[in-house]
Amino acid sequence: NAGVTQTPKFRVLKTGQSMTLLCAQDMNHEYMYWYRQDPGMGLRLIHYSVGEGTTAKGEVPDGYNVSRLKKQNFLLGLESAAPSQTSVYFCASLQGAGNTIYFGEGSWLTVV
Amino acid sequence: GQNIDQPTEMTATEGAIVQINCTYQTSGFNGLFWYQQHAGEAPTFLSYNVLDGLEEKGRFSSFLSRSKGYSYLLLKELQMKDSASYLCAVRSGAGNMLTFGGGTRLMVKP
Repeated sequence: NAGVTQTPKFRVLKTGQSMTLLCAQDMNHEYMYWYRQDPGMGLRLIHYSVGEGTTAKGEVPDGYNVSRLKKQNFLLGLESAAPSQTSVYFCASLQGAGNTIYFGEGSWLTVV
Repeated sequence: GQNIDQPTEMTATEGAIVQINCTYQTSGFNGLFWYQQHAGEAPTFLSYNVLDGLEEKGRFSSFLSRSKGYSYLLLKELQMKDSASYLCAVRSGAGNMLTFGGGTRLMVKP
């Protein structure tokens, strides 16, 4: 009964390092999303997935890659982190005909 | 592309009513969500509209006009705890892309 779980919750990276954020949902949802939120701003869509094995670009995809090898997991990768990627990252999931978006608790990433 | 506009900030008085507007331009509209977000927390669900009209849920109501690309969130009997950001999000296309507006920061004053 976990809903949407994001790991890690906090991370500090050095410029140029790589890392992966994991989003896991146990509700068998088809659609999953990765957003970033900068201070005082709304959520901007990075990438999303309409099902296992499929991904699509959102509004701000540059510098990120994603994979959806299993239906319950949606991974967000930073190959070479930059200070501009310092942000809070939220994962979300949605049932196909559902009327509620479920969010993870957020991952705070700082790139120094 | 998607274009979703909300006022950046609003201020209202405790006990009053406030209306937060959201306008959007999108193709393949599938529905509109309103979320509340307190600082440092994840957004929490308030309402969902897919058909024109008013949806009421306690102190919160949401209205949608698809022909005008317009929605509003109405908060009644404002409480101090309603101070938060309110996010409008549009669901569109066969892929159920979810696009958020920039959010409206509401400050409730005594």
